[in-house]
Amino acid sequence: DTGVSQNPRHKITKRGQNVTFRCDPISEHNRLYWYRQTLGQGPEFLTYFQNEAQLEKSRLLSDRFSAERPKGSFSTLEIQRTEQGDSAMYLCASSLTGANEKLFFGSGTQLSVL
Amino acid sequence: GDSVTQMEGPVTLSEEAFLTINCTYTATGYPSLFWYVQYPGEGLQLLLKATKADDKGSNKGFEATYRKETTSFHLEKGSVQVSDSAVYFCALSDQGSQGNLIFGKGTKLSVKP
Repeated sequence: DTGVSQNPRHKITKRGQNVTFRCDPISEHNRLYWYRQTLGQGPEFLTYFQNEAQLEKSRLLSDRFSAERPKGSFSTLEIQRTEQGDSAMYLCASSLTGANEKLFFGSGTQLSVL
Repeated sequence: GDSVTQMEGPVTLSEEAFLTINCTYTATGYPSLFWYVQYPGEGLQLLLKATKADDKGSNKGFEATYRKETTSFHLEKGSVQVSDSAVYFCALSDQGSQGNLIFGKGTKLSVKP
């Protein structure tokens, strides 16, 4: 069990640029989640996958955000035309079954949009 | 919609003091309740959980009891240690949404030797 891995750890970008983050879940976990956390707040759910299927998306996930999990293993989260309000920590988590089970979180990708 | 409210921090205690972090929730169904902890420089970790009313979750000396009548899930520990310094998040998972954990804002705990 090597844990959930996220890359990069930090990303600084200029407003209007596109960014992509990667998450490698624990290998046998079929569920993968993306959350966003801003300073002083708890994580907010963005979306989740069961295997390669994206089963739920939050209203927070505007059309500038897209997530994929092409082979049911790693996942990418892309933000197009970044805005300053996108600055946050983006967290990935995985689990064997559902959110009622234990979620294993990565350390996150800190995005700063200048 | 569903929500979680937890006490504002930061909380500063001396070693061996008693800890309570209050958490109340609003939910339409019968949620499962969780406490997650984030130690400095690390990812969130599940501390304990309870899936139905009157269940008690416990781990590492921490306890929380699912109280449906007061919609609460307060976290307690009888004697805190310096190593318990972390941010604690209360969360719920509604039965109808298997992928969606709703978190409180977190409570930062600092334990002084």
